[in-house]
Amino acid sequence: QKEVEQNSGPLSVPEGAIASLNCTYSDRGSQSFFWYRQYSGKSPELIMSIYSNGDKEDGRFTAQLNKASQYVSLLIRDSQPSDSATYLCAVLDNAGNMLTFGGGTRLMVKP
Amino acid sequence: DAGITQSPRYKITETGRQVTLMCHQTWSHSYMFWYRQDLGHGLRLIYYSAAADITDKGEVPDGYVVSRSKTENFPLTLESATRSQTSVYFCASSTGTIGELFFGEGSRLTVL
Repeated sequence: QKEVEQNSGPLSVPEGAIASLNCTYSDRGSQSFFWYRQYSGKSPELIMSIYSNGDKEDGRFTAQLNKASQYVSLLIRDSQPSDSATYLCAVLDNAGNMLTFGGGTRLMVKP
Repeated sequence: DAGITQSPRYKITETGRQVTLMCHQTWSHSYMFWYRQDLGHGLRLIYYSAAADITDKGEVPDGYVVSRSKTENFPLTLESATRSQTSVYFCASSTGTIGELFFGEGSRLTVL
């Protein structure tokens, strides 16, 4: 079974700091990777996608991908209390049919 | 712009009863999905559909039935509900990039 692993947290960072969220995956053939944010009691929402090795930046968010190490990360710069949520890593299988989610990392940004 | 809506939002039922969760999207997205979310398991795919009349199993399909006679609707039926099916169910849709999903608000189902 293809697995996506995340530390469940909580990861606690002070306001203004960089939050670093990590994810590893087992399917070496995977080509597409996604980060979703889920506020408590709400549905997940897509915040980043990344398909190539390296970094991809969007505002305060940077996604990093290392396919050789089977590792994806999300950096949140200048963290705000409104960033407090659970962040879900998702990996699309090689066939492009099935998206597998990690268990999520709960982030807490303290004022 | 209603997007994707699920009903009911909350449902309590008893073991052995049939339950149908509805999902409706207004975007004409080709792909639709049903996920369940449980503590300790994250989001797990139950069924998905690439288009009307095309459905396929996901990771945890046992005990569930889906249909998709119209592009905009994708109902999920629990034919004989069990306590292990107590969960939050999310419907999602996608234009074709399967990883870029738009989720409904979720349906919280409790099976007593």
